[in-house]
Amino acid sequence: AQKITQTQPGMFVQEKEAVTLDCTYDTSDPSYGLFWYKQPSSGEMIFLIYQGSYDQQNATEGRYSLNFQKARKSANLVISASQLGDSAMYFCAMREVNTGNQFYFGTGTSLTVIP
Amino acid sequence: GAVVSQHPSRVICKSGTSVKIECRSLDFQATTMFWYRQFPKKSLMLMATSNEGSKATYEQGVEKDKFLINHASLTLSTLTVTSAHPEDSSFYICSARSGSRHEQYFGPGTRLTVT
Repeated sequence: AQKITQTQPGMFVQEKEAVTLDCTYDTSDPSYGLFWYKQPSSGEMIFLIYQGSYDQQNATEGRYSLNFQKARKSANLVISASQLGDSAMYFCAMREVNTGNQFYFGTGTSLTVIP
Repeated sequence: GAVVSQHPSRVICKSGTSVKIECRSLDFQATTMFWYRQFPKKSLMLMATSNEGSKATYEQGVEKDKFLINHASLTLSTLTVTSAHPEDSSFYICSARSGSRHEQYFGPGTRLTVT
């Protein structure tokens, strides 16, 4: 089974609007971390936000927030007030603490912000 | 779903020696493979892009004579860290893409420690 699933290959959003990028995960490890990365055309994977499995509150970093629903095993990324520079690929990832700290990545969502 | 494996998952080597990391696409043909290095603050820096059968394209600042990348087949790419130094200690991740598809499939990563 896929450890990380991103079901939206491509998304479009109007500038200044909010957008939600979906991510679901699969793990039996009670201790894990969830990450979101942005990959612009330069190729670098830019870390955006992190959520620990034991964190009680949803993580927020500026315009990024992570909608963490543990029972549903979902970790959706919400970008508020979209900007043209937000156009990029976005990857959701998970690291399981008790099983070798391996990284599991989703296949990515291509976000295009429309002016 | 598509699977990318990396071997080894962890390696410890002595300063001055070389170490090879393998990245394999298990059930698809990876026409393009990428190698990343994780830095503090969790971002992944793109080191190089390799297309099967041709020389890798290295990002600015990455020493191609130190980080040898070979993509000899559609299912295997290798990264060889030559004359390793302690500052080369890091987490290295590969990813693979097939044809013109945008999805990238990531390997689980290799933790390199140079003593």
